[in-house]
Amino acid sequence: DAGITQSPRHKVTETGTPVTLRCHQTENHRYMYWYRQDPGHGLRLIHYSYGVKDTDKGEVSDGYSVSRSKTEDFLLTLESATSSQTSVYFCAIARDRVYEQYFGPGTRLTVT
Amino acid sequence: RKEVEQDPGPFNVPEGATVAFNCTYSNSASQSFFWYRQDCRKEPKLLMSVYSSGNEDGRFTAQLNRASQYISLLIRDSKLSDSATYLCVVNIDSGGYQKVTFGTGTKLQVIP
Repeated sequence: DAGITQSPRHKVTETGTPVTLRCHQTENHRYMYWYRQDPGHGLRLIHYSYGVKDTDKGEVSDGYSVSRSKTEDFLLTLESATSSQTSVYFCAIARDRVYEQYFGPGTRLTVT
Repeated sequence: RKEVEQDPGPFNVPEGATVAFNCTYSNSASQSFFWYRQDCRKEPKLLMSVYSSGNEDGRFTAQLNRASQYISLLIRDSKLSDSATYLCVVNIDSGGYQKVTFGTGTKLQVIP
């Protein structure tokens, strides 16, 4: 299995609070991605990174920010959580942009 | 029209049966293709890449039809452990534009 961990694995938070999810890899892959998965929508890309300090938006980036200060860590921040951000969040890594992606175990976030 | 479309199923098949899924894509610039498997409440896991010439891995065969813009996955001699949701993934990489799109998945239930 690819060396990807996500923390926390589960979180319940209140509307309006900031939340940071962490993705950590030991594979030294250049590309890292954050997705959310919701019933009926499949996996949707939030943000991705193609190197340290190099990030770009995905299709559902509103309300989210990311940072990548080290190759191995990619952080996803919800500045002010809303109930619509209740979801399962997956991190993924890839050697290059058209290569296969490997996923972390996911974080279940509930915003009450 | 959705960029990537899959029949959501469920496909209920008896053990030992052969089952096939299709996934259609709308962008002819799509460059690479993959099948993932996702078990309930787990992360997607790479099943196989899909090559232009078609490829086989044990009981699984993947094919690409660029003319008709679809990929297929054939599972022979279905096992109970094959029960999962199967996601197709399409990568577009055209110059500076890159996009990864996941299908919403096809659910397979193998019945004893």
